[in-house]
Amino acid sequence: QKEVEQDPGPLSVPEGAIVSLNCTYSNSAFQYFMWYRQYSRKGPELLMYTYSSGNKEDGRFTAQVDKSSKYISLFIRDSQPSDSATYLCAMKGQGGSEKLVFGKGTKLTVNP
Amino acid sequence: EPEVTQTPSHQVTQMGQEVILRCVPISNHLYFYWYRQILGQKVEFLVSFYNNEISEKSEIFDDQFSVERPDGSNFTLKIRSTKLEDSAMYFCASSKVDSNQPQHFGDGTRLSIL
Repeated sequence: QKEVEQDPGPLSVPEGAIVSLNCTYSNSAFQYFMWYRQYSRKGPELLMYTYSSGNKEDGRFTAQVDKSSKYISLFIRDSQPSDSATYLCAMKGQGGSEKLVFGKGTKLTVNP
Repeated sequence: EPEVTQTPSHQVTQMGQEVILRCVPISNHLYFYWYRQILGQKVEFLVSFYNNEISEKSEIFDDQFSVERPDGSNFTLKIRSTKLEDSAMYFCASSKVDSNQPQHFGDGTRLSIL
């Protein structure tokens, strides 16, 4: 089983739709969970950063972590064409290893 | 907003040559990282660097690779004797005083080995 799995899509939605992106993972040591947005030919841009389980909201974005199911989600409300990008989940353990382990990314297109 | 800057944006090098990729991390950050992304694949961790020494490295980061902080602002990745399979996007990242702080990435250097 891969350490972090993410459906690569592509995912195409109409403007205004609610988008749901998710990742599953196998390593129970992961404690920090991140979502990055990556536009074409750009670096990963941090969107959400959460520790352990629970929800975090920032504007139109909501991140959810369910450690019991080893499942994380990113919801985008009122999606905009400017949200069209690849979304990467990433995670790391507490202390110890500093490396981020990434999913493969989901390519999202929001159509006007 | 402060950002991580990387130069050059694209580097083309002959196989077997040495290449140096440069990064200027965010100024008050103390942890520095290199990652790479081969086309169509995941972003992969290479190395982390703190207090002027490597704190962690992956199995990819073999003797061919080295990192250095030559002055107070730059952080470099050197690849000796490049191979075709080194062709990838290389991303530099940095984080604040605690390695559990989020990592912020630059826009990468696209390395093409001919």
